[in-house]
Amino acid sequence: QVQLQESGPGLVKPSEPLSLTCTVSGGSVTSHNYYFTWIRQPPGKGLEWIGYRYYSGTFNYTPSLESRVTITLDMSKNQFFLRLSSVTAADTARYFCAIGYYDTSGHYRDYWGQGTLATVSS
Amino acid sequence: IQMTQSPSSLSASVGDRVTITCQATQDIYKSLNWYQHKPGQAPKLLIYEASNLETGAPSRFSGGGSGTDFTFTITSLQPEDVATYFCQQYDDLPRTFGQGTKVELK
Repeated sequence: QVQLQESGPGLVKPSEPLSLTCTVSGGSVTSHNYYFTWIRQPPGKGLEWIGYRYYSGTFNYTPSLESRVTITLDMSKNQFFLRLSSVTAADTARYFCAIGYYDTSGHYRDYWGQGTLATVSS
Repeated sequence: IQMTQSPSSLSASVGDRVTITCQATQDIYKSLNWYQHKPGQAPKLLIYEASNLETGAPSRFSGGGSGTDFTFTITSLQPEDVATYFCQQYDDLPRTFGQGTKVELK
């Protein structure tokens, strides 16, 4: 069973970058053509899709964040990463990582981590 | 694409039938998944492509719909089903989510 675990600093100062790691276990990240994805949920609000990096290297980020976000991969370590620059209090959220793929019937299916809370505060 | 999910919360008794809806602002065909999220746990895919039960998910969960209107049903609510349920469309980027429905026991 594929499992994902997010990790990173729980507290980040305003204007500094937020860096998070997602570690995948229970399966190889090369077993499917995965979309390595980050999603976040501010306290008391709904889920916001941040973006993905495809296994081939292509990527897509949500327009409101694309000037500040980078998703990178380290397939050799079964890990992928989120970097969000110049954070403000509005970036305080629980951050989830997920890996998704299209199965042989063309259906999109995915696995998520439990999320990690990142708070932006001085 | 905006996803409108309702209700935002509901309270039901064990054995009740529970129905949640998601409406998209444009045709997303059947490109919709339903998830279960319990506090402190990873969200879990229950229904993919609007109506397909994910492997290992109990058969009391089902989904339907296409185009802009979708439903998620628990045919007989169990205590372990207390959770938040949400939909996600993957027809277009950026992917978007319903606001979630918190299901509680009466």
